[in-house]
Amino acid sequence: EVQLVESGGGLVQPGGSLRLSCAGSGFTFSNYWMSWVRQAPGKGLEWVANIKEDGSEKYYVDSVKGRFTISRDNAKNSLYLQMNSLRAEDTAVYYCARDDGKTTVTTFFQHWGQGTLVTVSS
Amino acid sequence: DIQMTQSPSTLSASVGDRVTITCRASQSFSNWLAWYQQKPGKAPKLLIYRTSRLESGVPSRFSGSGSGTEFTLTISSLQPDDFATYYCQHYNNYPLSFGGGTKVEIK
Repeated sequence: EVQLVESGGGLVQPGGSLRLSCAGSGFTFSNYWMSWVRQAPGKGLEWVANIKEDGSEKYYVDSVKGRFTISRDNAKNSLYLQMNSLRAEDTAVYYCARDDGKTTVTTFFQHWGQGTLVTVSS
Repeated sequence: DIQMTQSPSTLSASVGDRVTITCRASQSFSNWLAWYQQKPGKAPKLLIYRTSRLESGVPSRFSGSGSGTEFTLTISSLQPDDFATYYCQHYNNYPLSFGGGTKVEIK
């Protein structure tokens, strides 16, 4: 069974940093594109970033470019999101998501984690 | 960037009703569109990808269609478990984006 478990969320002050992690199991992690998708409280879904199987390609939504960095460690079956210069508008549940294994460049999200809440507030 | 607009934003329906949700794109693209269902406090669940392909395990009462700038999700006979919020997502190019969501409520 595919499992994605996020961790690392919490309360952080504006301008602060946080690193999210996502542990994958039940599948060969290195064979899949991985993504972060977020959802602000009471709002819709927003794609944040994704990364190719071997980490050689990364894509970001404009609002986080230069502040967030997606990375992965295939040996540890783990995905990360380093978030710097956090703003109040980054407050959201952050989901880790996996593709269907057939992605060439762009992707949809076949499997999702349960999410981790990031709150940016003073 | 491609903007996705869903309509309606809220839909009131009864069990057994046929329900259609529309997703309109700001630019035309091929069939790189997915639909998700989300229940309160839960992660989204993939229902349909590539416009009309049903994800494994998803009931056949769900179907998708469309092309160009207009795509639809249809639930042929609404069941109690289907009351949820539905999102479309394009994956034609970057940035990927979702529609604003359609909440299906009990009438």
